[in-house]
Amino acid sequence: KQEVTQIPAALSVPEGENLVLNCSFTDSAIYNLQWFRQDPGKGLTSLLLIQSSQREQTSGRLNASLDKSSGRSTLYIAASQPGDSATYLCAARDSNYQLIWGAGTKLIIKP
Amino acid sequence: DAGVIQSPRHEVTEMGQEVTLRCKPISGHDYLFWYRQTMMRGLELLIYFNNNVPIDDSGMPEDRFSAKMPNASFSTLKIQPSEPRDSAVYFCASSLVNTEAFFGQGTRLTVV
Repeated sequence: KQEVTQIPAALSVPEGENLVLNCSFTDSAIYNLQWFRQDPGKGLTSLLLIQSSQREQTSGRLNASLDKSSGRSTLYIAASQPGDSATYLCAARDSNYQLIWGAGTKLIIKP
Repeated sequence: DAGVIQSPRHEVTEMGQEVTLRCKPISGHDYLFWYRQTMMRGLELLIYFNNNVPIDDSGMPEDRFSAKMPNASFSTLKIQPSEPRDSAVYFCASSLVNTEAFFGQGTRLTVV
């Protein structure tokens, strides 16, 4: 059974720093892996999707990588801003086409 | 496309009443997911459909919960009778098999 873990559960960094959020999964048989952000009281916004055949995807200051063999994905945020404060979730699309979710990393960027 | 549309955005109801949540997926998407999110339990998958057919409803908490997808552009999640512990935010999401999943804005349900 696929399990997805996100470490750390919470992270607080000063504005301007580059940071990495981690996501690990136990079963490498995934179709894709998706990163989302959720602001308090809001819905989930898709950030990046990495297909199983891809190694990374980039969107602006965000870069997500995928290493299926090690069961890991990372979300790199460059030059962090207070507006990046949110909870970041990763979800792996498993062999049953379900999204298996991590518990999220709550990110706080201090001005 | 306007994205995944859920209604209502907020629902306050009394215990014992029937509640119906609605979802319109993105046109052309063949997967539809219903989730529930609470502070205590995080994001939980309730049920998902493929081509309007329920594939896995093992996350539905009990018989009080039911979901239907009568056509490709509409799904409902019904709770009858509702209980205070059903209070949560309910999300609907849709996707193709290997594309991004997009979420609606959610329905915040409060059962008093």
